[in-house]
Amino acid sequence: DIQMTQSPSSLSASVGDRVTITCRASQSISRYLNWYQQKPRKALKLLIYAASSLQIGVPSRFSGSGSGTDFTLTISSLQPEDFATYYCQQSYTMPWTFGQGTKVEIK
Amino acid sequence: EVQLVESGGGLVKPGGSLRLSCAVSEFTFSNAWMSWVRQAPGKGLEWVGRIKSKTDGGTTDYAAPVKGRFTISRDDSKNTLYLQMTSLKTEDTAVYYCTTKNRILDAFDIWGQGTMVTVSS
Repeated sequence: DIQMTQSPSSLSASVGDRVTITCRASQSISRYLNWYQQKPRKALKLLIYAASSLQIGVPSRFSGSGSGTDFTLTISSLQPEDFATYYCQQSYTMPWTFGQGTKVEIK
Repeated sequence: EVQLVESGGGLVKPGGSLRLSCAVSEFTFSNAWMSWVRQAPGKGLEWVGRIKSKTDGGTTDYAAPVKGRFTISRDDSKNTLYLQMTSLKTEDTAVYYCTTKNRILDAFDIWGQGTMVTVSS
């Protein structure tokens, strides 16, 4: 199975900060990498697909980059509604696997 | 608006069985490839299994921890996805989500709110 490792596991940031989350795959997955946002009592939300494509309706402050084994999710200016947990997921091969999550908390 | 609503969760003893349902509305369910994903308390997300649309063969695939114990099925006439769970173990305790796999985006683009399954004696 392909292991997905996110870092950091958690971070504290202020509104307006630039936030970067990294995701590393245990083998090359080309650009088959997606990012999701999870908030309590809300359905999970797809943010980024194919490493860098923004899902419809997702604010442009979210961006993704990377290919092969190393990927990043960047929030250019953190907003109050962005405090949540973020997961990467590889869709290169089954079993589809997720990172362990990065919790973004208010500083 | 597309909605996925899971139901059927609850408390079950180890070795027991449970069937989860996922009702889908405002969506062409029959064409969709559907998956179940679970999340143990305080943990990350784990893909459980997938069923293709009937026009694509209706075949299923499962993660190793549940293979042989869990069965995914669908009733396109009722717009409903099922997860039959047998020989349940304490480590199956989790919130179970149904989700659609968008084959163009190659990503899980719509999710339900989840249903909690607790396996405990």
